[in-house]
Amino acid sequence: EVVMTQSPATLSVSPGESATLSCRASHPVNSNLVWYQQRPGQAPRLLIYGASSRATDIPARFSGSGSGTEFTLTISSLQSEDFAVYYCQQSNNWPRTFGQGTKVEIK
Amino acid sequence: QVQLQESGPGLLKPSQTLSLTCSVSGGSISSGAYYWSWIRQHPGKGLEWIAYIHSSGSTYYNPSVKSRVTISMDTSNDQFSLKLASVTAADTAVYYCVRERLPDWYFDVWGRGTLVTVSS
Repeated sequence: EVVMTQSPATLSVSPGESATLSCRASHPVNSNLVWYQQRPGQAPRLLIYGASSRATDIPARFSGSGSGTEFTLTISSLQSEDFAVYYCQQSNNWPRTFGQGTKVEIK
Repeated sequence: QVQLQESGPGLLKPSQTLSLTCSVSGGSISSGAYYWSWIRQHPGKGLEWIAYIHSSGSTYYNPSVKSRVTISMDTSNDQFSLKLASVTAADTAVYYCVRERLPDWYFDVWGRGTLVTVSS
């Protein structure tokens, strides 16, 4: 299976600053990479699909990039509601696999 | 707007079979445009995809649980179900039913999740 590795595990950021999250796949997954946000006690929410396409109603401050094995999620000008855990997931192969998550916390 | 809702027992004893049902509202499970999946999240941990089923009847299981799991669907009631046999404490998790959109390949609709605890 494709192993997804996210870094860092925790990112401390001040409100209004930007955050850059990384995701690496153990095998190339083309652009079949998805990002989700999970707030405490909630189900994950789709943010980015196809590595760089924002889902419906997702603010423009969220952007994704990359292809193959290296991917990045950038959150510009962090708002209070953005402090959460972010997961990447590959949708190129079965079984679908997720990274272990990056927690974005308030600095 | 499509909504998913999980239901099933919240507490099981070791060796029992976990049975969960996902009820789909606001849309039809018979649409060929989606895979219907189960995903679980162990307490404080990441996400693990378990299985999918398509309206065509095709299924796929995660090798990590393949020998113990069965997924099925009831199109007349817009429901799909998960059975996981011989549970242990390692199966304690929040179980989500999820829709995967084809051919864009992303999980776009999630249920709220149901916590299943395995304990003697």
